[in-house]
Amino acid sequence: DVKVTQSSRYLVKRTGEKVFLECVQDMDHENMFWYRQDPGLGLRLIYFSYDVKMKEKGDIPEGYSVSREKKERFSLILESASTNQTSMYLCASSLRGPGFFGPGTRLTVL
Amino acid sequence: RKEVEQDPGPFNVPEGATVAFNCTYSNSASQSFFWYRQDCRKEPKLLMSVYSSGNEDGRFTAQLNRASQYISLLIRDSKLSDSATYLCVVTEANTGNQFYFGTGTSLTVIP
Repeated sequence: DVKVTQSSRYLVKRTGEKVFLECVQDMDHENMFWYRQDPGLGLRLIYFSYDVKMKEKGDIPEGYSVSREKKERFSLILESASTNQTSMYLCASSLRGPGFFGPGTRLTVL
Repeated sequence: RKEVEQDPGPFNVPEGATVAFNCTYSNSASQSFFWYRQDCRKEPKLLMSVYSSGNEDGRFTAQLNRASQYISLLIRDSKLSDSATYLCVVTEANTGNQFYFGTGTSLTVIP
């Protein structure tokens, strides 16, 4: 079974803090994705990566950056957290298709 | 304009009922289609891909109607365990790996 893990299930940060969300997959997938999920808005793509050191902006990249130094790990960085970044963050990995999701990180920014 | 639209529901159906959800998409060039299931406070999980000719997996049938730009999911003989939110997902040929998710349709199967 594919396993996608995320570093934290719940995270509380303060406005202005730098936040790192880590995602690791164990199936040698090329493609990895970061989404946020908000009520009424569904899943929205922040960034995706189709190879090591490659990244592409999704629909809502503002306020976020990503890093993919190793194939199995895709990190999402909030440079300066703001309250409107309070959300559920979901990582996914795939060979093709939307793929397999991690359990999510519920981030609250105070 | 949303790329993918779903009726949020909720759909409340008795056990054993048949229920169908539709999902419309805006881009006629859309290429790949999927249904995901998301349980409360859990991550989405792939339920099934949707093929042009339609496909079935046990009690679940997925259909694609390109002319009217919608996909459907039919669940027969509903079980209590089918209670979840069902998300449709669409990808477009020219966006490579970018997938568009609907906001989901909530289903509750009642004993």
